[in-house]
Amino acid sequence: DSGVTQTPKHLITATGQRVTLRCSPRSGDLSVYWYQQSLDQGLQFLIQYYNGEERAKGNILERFSAQQFPDLHSELNLSSLELGDSALYFCASSRSTGDEQFFGPGTRLTVL
Amino acid sequence: AQTVTQSQPEMSVQEAETVTLSCTYDTSENNYYLFWYKQPPSRQMILVIRQEAYKQQNATENRFSVNFQKAAKSFSLKISDSQLGDTAMYFCAFMKHVQAQKLVFGQGTRLTINP
Repeated sequence: DSGVTQTPKHLITATGQRVTLRCSPRSGDLSVYWYQQSLDQGLQFLIQYYNGEERAKGNILERFSAQQFPDLHSELNLSSLELGDSALYFCASSRSTGDEQFFGPGTRLTVL
Repeated sequence: AQTVTQSQPEMSVQEAETVTLSCTYDTSENNYYLFWYKQPPSRQMILVIRQEAYKQQNATENRFSVNFQKAAKSFSLKISDSQLGDTAMYFCAFMKHVQAQKLVFGQGTRLTINP
C-alpha cells in the first residue's frame, strides 16, 4: 500500500458524459501528479499540482481539467468523453517536486 | 524532449535465474533521475529502484540492481534469483533534476518468471 488513495476503482460511462476522478496523496505530500495509461499511448503524464497550484502540464486534452484543494486532495475532471479516453488513470504523490513519486491503485475508466 | 526506450517487449526466464532488462534514454540534461517501476497484474505501480545521475555507484535494492552507463545513456535492471512474484510489467522512467516534474516512461517489458 503506497498510501495514495484513488476513487472510484472502476468507472463505466457513455460517450459525451463527464466524470470526476479523486485522489488523496500520502500524508505530508504536497505534490500530486496525474498519469494516463492506455494500450496505444503507454504511460503519459497529464498534469502536476504542488500545494494547490498547477506546476506542469503534459499531454492533457482541453476536455480534461484538474485541481488540488486546500486539504491537498486532487480531482481530475474528464468531459465530453470519447471511446479513446478509456484508460487507467493514475494519481501519484511526492513530498516535493523531484522526490520519488508513489502511485495510487488507479481508476479504470471505460467509455462505451 | 526526453525519450525512454525499452527494446524488449517481452522476456521469460525460469525461477531462480538472473534476468537483465534493458533501457536507453535520450536527454541533453546532465542531472536527472532514473527509475524502474514494476506493474504486477494488480496494475499497481511499484517503485523498484532509483538512480541519481550524479552518482557513479550503481543502485542496489536486495535482488535488484542497475547498471547505469551515463555516457551510453543506458540503464539496465538486473534481477537475481528471480521469483514467481517478479512476474510483471517493468517500466523504465526518467525525470529531470532541475524543475523535476513528470516521469517519462518507456513502453515497458513484460517479464514472466516460469516455475
